[in-house]
Parts: sequence; structure tokens; C-alpha cells
Amino acid sequence: SQKIEQNSEALNIQEGKTATLTCNYTNYSPAYLQWYRQDPGRGPVFLLLIRENEKEKRKERLKVTFDTTLKQSLFHITASQPADSATYLCGTARQLTFGSGTQLTVLP
Amino acid sequence: SAVISQKPSRDICQRGTSLTIQCQVDSQVTMMFWYRQQPGQSLTLIATANQGSEATYESGFVIDKFPISRPNLTFSTLTVSNMSPEDSSIYLCSVERDNSYEQYFGPGTRLTVT
Repeated sequence: SQKIEQNSEALNIQEGKTATLTCNYTNYSPAYLQWYRQDPGRGPVFLLLIRENEKEKRKERLKVTFDTTLKQSLFHITASQPADSATYLCGTARQLTFGSGTQLTVLP
Repeated sequence: SAVISQKPSRDICQRGTSLTIQCQVDSQVTMMFWYRQQPGQSLTLIATANQGSEATYESGFVIDKFPISRPNLTFSTLTVSNMSPEDSSIYLCSVERDNSYEQYFGPGTRLTVT
């Protein structure tokens, strides 16, 4: 069956470093992948969408890559800040199938 | 973006009763979705709410348990019927903006069934 997996349940990094989160998919070829941020007690917030024919997409300190050979998307936050601490979800399809999320903690 | 509100924000209900959750959007949207997020888990899609037709349910979710209404392009309801403690979750609605595939989520309804 189609599957989206986020390898790390939790990731701790030091403020100022680059956080890299991984999303892998199996048993299908999504036309696009999306990344969302979720804070405790709130609904997810859309961050970025990348299509299969786009290798990379950027928005301010965020960067997403899409490697159809590796069946993987990487999500980077550069110059990370404690305010970036949240759970990050990747998902695909109009009726979103989400990965389990990675809880990022940026340590001051 | 779209502004989405949900009512109620939280509720505590007794086993065997039903709760209807409302989702209101500040603009007309074609696609609305209902998700469930169980404690410590990611989101699972329950159904797509289609205006003017029956909702489309995902595997494991049935209309008798989760009836959905979509009377117009700005409003939808999800009912959780004959509740059991296993239905304790956060229920979220979302909308897709302008065929962009980007989804915007409501704040969620935290349901506890005792």
C-alpha cells in the first residue's frame, strides 16, 4: 500500500544550525509533496509544496527538495531559531496522506 | 489563505451519544476535508465533503458512524455518532485553496468520550 514515512520522530538541534527533516514514500509516485508545521493544540499550517518536476523550492529560511529516484523529500530550515520548534509533517495527494511527523526542538 | 473556524473547540461527551462539529470558512471553497488526529499521532483523513453530493469516505470510516453534511460552499458538519472512548481525538476540517493543493486547517475540535 502507499506509504509516507518520516524517519525521525524527534530531532534536537542547536540554534543557528540547519535542521534537515526527511520524508520517504513507497509504493507510489506522488506528483507533489507538501510540508506543514503543527504547533501543540493547533491545526497544521501549510509551508511549501514541491512538484515532481521541481528539484528544489525555497521560501525564506525554508528549502524543500524532491528526489524521485530516492523517493524522498528533504526539508531544511536554515539558521534555525527556538521559534521553529514544532512538529513538521509531510504529505501528498489532494486527500492528504500524512507522515507521522518529526518533532523538531531548536535549543537556544 | 482561508480563515476557518470550528465549533465546538472542545467537548466532553458520554459514551453512546453523538456530537456534531461545525466548520465554517470565510470564502467559498470547492473541497473540504475532515481529519482525525488521535493523541500523539498524525492526521488521518476521514472523508472529503462534497457540496451537493455524498461525502467520500476513506477506508475504515463509514457514513453511519461519521455522517457529513455540506449544504453550501462555506460550511460543513461532521457528526461522530454513538461515541465510544476510542473516538476521543482531535477532529479537524480543512479546505483546499483555489485548486492549489495547499490545504488550510481549522483549529480543531478536541473530543473526549467518557
